[in-house]
Amino acid sequence: AQRVTQPEKLLSVFKGAPVELKCNYSYSGSPELFWYVQYSRQRLQLLLRHISRESIKGFTADLNKGETSFHLKKPFAQEEDSAMYYCALTTGAGNMLTFGGGTRLMVKP
Amino acid sequence: DAGITQSPRHKVTETGTPVTLRCHQTENHRYMYWYRQDPGHGLRLIHYSYGVKDTDKGEVSDGYSVSRSKTEDFLLTLESATSSQTSVYFCAIRDYSYEQYFGPGTRLTVT
Repeated sequence: AQRVTQPEKLLSVFKGAPVELKCNYSYSGSPELFWYVQYSRQRLQLLLRHISRESIKGFTADLNKGETSFHLKKPFAQEEDSAMYYCALTTGAGNMLTFGGGTRLMVKP
Repeated sequence: DAGITQSPRHKVTETGTPVTLRCHQTENHRYMYWYRQDPGHGLRLIHYSYGVKDTDKGEVSDGYSVSRSKTEDFLLTLESATSSQTSVYFCAIRDYSYEQYFGPGTRLTVT
């Protein structure tokens, strides 16, 4: 069965500092990976997916199949980036998403 | 917000009572999902539907049932609520690009 691990429950950085939110997965096939974000009192929304290779709000993520990782990065954190971030994967069957436990990012002024 | 709503948004109920949560979409998408969100666990799939009257179990389906009698509505029922089912419940729909859109969530407290 597939699994997604986000080792940090809380990540606190200062404004302007680089940010890396870690995500590791286990799946023997070729999954599709996503990052979702949940701002305070809002619904989850897609931040980015690896197949699109887009940069959204300055965030990027590279799929590393060798290390089975999909870390989320941003060179200069902003206060408005403070939110809960979830890494997720789908294997295609029913397109069900398997989520990691989430990382709360706090960007201090 | 992708035309997806949930009702009620908040509910407090007593142990042993049945509870039904409703997810409504205006997008006419075939796939709909119910997740629960708990600290440290992220979101976990309860049940999903791939069409009217077509449903299947997810990772944490025990104690839950679902029904989909029409495309726009996906109901989640807690047959006899327990304190362990206190959670935030999210509904999601999947579009043609396989992206999932989430509803605003229902906060359920079982006392």
